[in-house]
Formats: sequence, structure tokens, C-alpha cells
Amino acid sequence: AQKVTQAQTEISVVEKEDVTLDCVYETRDTTYYLFWYKQPPSGELVFLIRRNSFDEQNEISGRYSWNFQKSTSSFNFTITASQVVDSAVYFCALSEVPYSTGANNLFFGTGTRLTVIP
Amino acid sequence: NAGVTQTPKFQVLKTGQSMTLQCAQDMNHEYMSWYRQDPGMGLRLIHYSVGAGITDQGEVPNGYNVSRSTTEDFPLRLLSAAPSQTSVYFCASSTLGGAGYFGPGTRLLVL
Repeated sequence: AQKVTQAQTEISVVEKEDVTLDCVYETRDTTYYLFWYKQPPSGELVFLIRRNSFDEQNEISGRYSWNFQKSTSSFNFTITASQVVDSAVYFCALSEVPYSTGANNLFFGTGTRLTVIP
Repeated sequence: NAGVTQTPKFQVLKTGQSMTLQCAQDMNHEYMSWYRQDPGMGLRLIHYSVGAGITDQGEVPNGYNVSRSTTEDFPLRLLSAAPSQTSVYFCASSTLGGAGYFGPGTRLLVL
């Protein structure tokens, strides 16, 4: 069965520090997708990134970067030079998309609450 | 485009009452789903649909019904509300295999 583990329940950093949020996943499928979502205090879920299992290239988007390592089943998220606006709960999720249906069911981790202190 | 919309934003029910949470999307996405979010548990899949007329159960379907008569709409029905259904409910849509876009959520309190 698929599983997503975010071992860090809460993290606090001082503004401008770098922070890495860990995500470890389990799946028996060879084809799958990994996601990160941000949930700010306002409550909505904001899509950050989607990565398929065949693409292990690291990705950088501004201050955000993601490190995908199939060898360790990890998909870690780093925020560089954190800002107060980064304070949110961050969710890692896994999707095993059946070829027959295309159902994009997401299995979420329990989330990491990041607090950036000014 | 409005994206994914959900109504109501907040609802209080008494135990045993029924209600329908509405979800609509204007992106012509085939896939739609409902999740509930409880403290410390992340989001869990309730029901999903891969197209009009096709629905299936997710991880926590008990006490909920869905139907998909159109591509745009995917309502979630609570048949007889229970305090255990107090939660925040999110609707999501995507193309088949694509990234999910979530609605703003409905906060439900069952007394």
C-alpha cells in the first residue's frame, strides 16, 4: 500500500534561514507522481510542484527547490532564505495513476507546519 | 475562469441531518474528488470520479454519497450527519493523471 511520511511535524526558523522539509514515500508501482502543496493560514491548498517517477532531475523555482531521490524514496523540499510569508503547512502527496482509469487519487502525508520568525 | 468552487464555506449541522456540499469546476477536467482534512491526519480521499456517470470510493467513503451527472459538478452528500464528520472538506479536479487543483474548502461542524 502507498504511504507518505512527513516526520517533521513542526519546524521553526528565523527569517532568511534555509529550511528543508522531508518527505519519504512508499509505493509498489514503478509509475507514480509526487506532489507538494502549501496550505497557508487562510486554509486553501496551493499546488507547488508535481514530479513523475521517471524524472529525477532536481527542480528549482525561485527560492524553492526539490530533491527527488528514488534510491531513498524521498522527495525533499528546500526553501532558501525563508520569509514570513512562507509560514504555512506543507503537504507531500503521492499519486499512483492507474493506466486504465487515469484516476489521480492523492495520498497525503500528515504535513509539516513551518513557522518563519521575523 | 473560476477554477474549483465550493459551497457553502461553513455549515453547522445537527446529528442526523443531511446536506449536500457543492463542488463545481470550469476547467473541463475529467477527474474530480473529495477529501476531508482532520487535524494531524492530512487529507484523506472520500470519493472520486473519472468522468460523468463514473464514481468510486476512496479511503473513507462511509456516510457519504456522490454522483456525477455533468463534467462540471460533483456534489458530496452526507446522508445522516455524525459528529465524526466534523471536518474540512476539499474538492479537487484535474485532467486524468494531471496535477490537482483544490477548491477553497467547506468547514463542517456537526453537533
